[in-house]
Amino acid sequence: DTAVSQTPKYLVTQMGNDKSIKCEQNLGHDTMYWYKQDSKKFLKIMFSYNNKELIINETVPNRFSPKSPDKAHLNLHINSLELGDSAVYFCASSQVSGGSYNEQFFGPGTRLTVL
Amino acid sequence: DAKTTQPPSMDCAEGRAANLPCNHSTISGNEYVYWYRQIHSQGPQYIIHGLKNNETNEMASLIITEDRKSSTLILPHATLRDTAVYYCIVRPLYNFNKFYFGSGTKLNVKP
Repeated sequence: DTAVSQTPKYLVTQMGNDKSIKCEQNLGHDTMYWYKQDSKKFLKIMFSYNNKELIINETVPNRFSPKSPDKAHLNLHINSLELGDSAVYFCASSQVSGGSYNEQFFGPGTRLTVL
Repeated sequence: DAKTTQPPSMDCAEGRAANLPCNHSTISGNEYVYWYRQIHSQGPQYIIHGLKNNETNEMASLIITEDRKSSTLILPHATLRDTAVYYCIVRPLYNFNKFYFGSGTKLNVKP
C-alpha cells in the first residue's frame, strides 16, 4: 500500500551512460514532481507534471527529460550522465486542483552515483 | 531562492517541547508557511501549514507572528524519532508548485 514508490532505490553507473528512474503514485493525485537533493542536502524542484502536462522546468539541463505516460507515473530519463548528476532524486505527488493547500507526498528516493 | 532563514541545528531533550524558529520577513500577504521534515535521508514528510492563524494537528503546532514575518514550529513532546531536518517553506498562493527547500534545521533529540 505504498503511496509513492520509486525504482531503483540505488543506481550506480558510468559517466556518459543513459539511465531512467521510475515513479508511481497510487494516491489518485493530479500532480507529480521530481526533486534533486545534492550532497549539501539542498532539495531543489526539477519538474512538475499536472495532468500529464509539464508546468515547471527549473533551469534543468535538457539531458534530463521527464516522461509521464499517465497521471500515476512520472519517469525521469537522464542522457549522457555527468559526475555532477550524482545525488538523491525524490519523486513526489500532490492534489493541486480543488484545494487551497498542497501537501506533497514524497517517495523514498533514488540514490544515483555517477562514476 | 529559499525565502526563509532557519538555525542550522538545535538540541532538545526527549519528552520536552521542541521549538523551531523560522524567519520569513519578505513573506507576501497571500503566501502560506509550510513545514516539512526529513528523517535520515528519507523522503520529506509534511507536518503542518498555515496562513496567518495558529494551527495545530496531531504532529505539531504552528505559531505565526501577527506581522507574519516569522513562525515557530512546536513539537510538544519530542521523541528520539523526531530527530530530523526540519524545513520551513513559503509558498505563493497561486503557484502551487513552487516549493523551495532551504537548508533547514537539524533537530537532535537527546535522551
